[in-house]
Amino acid sequence: VQLVESGGGLVQPGGSLRLSCAASGFTFSTYWMHWVRQAPGKGLVWVSNSDGSSTNYADSVKGRFTISRDNVKNTLSLQMNSLRAEDTAVYFCARAAMGGYDGLDVWGQGTTVAVSS
Amino acid sequence: QSALTQPASVSGSPGQSITISCTGTSSNVGNYNLVSWYQQHPGKAPKLVIYGVSKRPSGVSSRFSGSKSGNTASLTISGLQAEDEADYYCCSSAEITTWVFGGGTKLTVL
Repeated sequence: VQLVESGGGLVQPGGSLRLSCAASGFTFSTYWMHWVRQAPGKGLVWVSNSDGSSTNYADSVKGRFTISRDNVKNTLSLQMNSLRAEDTAVYFCARAAMGGYDGLDVWGQGTTVAVSS
Repeated sequence: QSALTQPASVSGSPGQSITISCTGTSSNVGNYNLVSWYQQHPGKAPKLVIYGVSKRPSGVSSRFSGSKSGNTASLTISGLQAEDEADYYCCSSAEITTWVFGGGTKLTVL
């Protein structure tokens, strides 16, 4: 069971970036998937989740970020637009335990996003 | 979406027990048994150590235990070991549409 994020990098304020998370070793389509971020030296912050038919977002990213998934390619994505300095963080992809509510039991290693001019 | 409240730091000596609190509201911690805890070592991804308030995932040491009273959940680590030194985060998944983490607690093993 593995999650591998990619797509991070340096982007200017107002720019866009698309993160990807490749899942393997489990039936991807049956699990809620999440994005969680961590600003440098700060704590974990929930960003978004999706079960394939519904999507949810933290207020801080609503209208700017879009979560999506490809259940054939077993990939979770996060399209980030109108990026701000405060979006600078390590972004983790995580799987919710079966049922959706019992914690995030599998995490990727994270991908770093830096928003700066 | 207010963060859950955790102490910034706790410490203990090897062999001792420590408890980390996590205070929420009746809308998240208080009325749902949907609190999880995560351990994070520097530069690493978080690891689930407790879910459903008091359940341990397979492979997690029995020295880790969780409980809840009212709007406050707690993580207790007994028989403290040097490897337990890490940051710990609580999380409420009371609403599938909005998960919320605590601010994190740095555990120092003296």
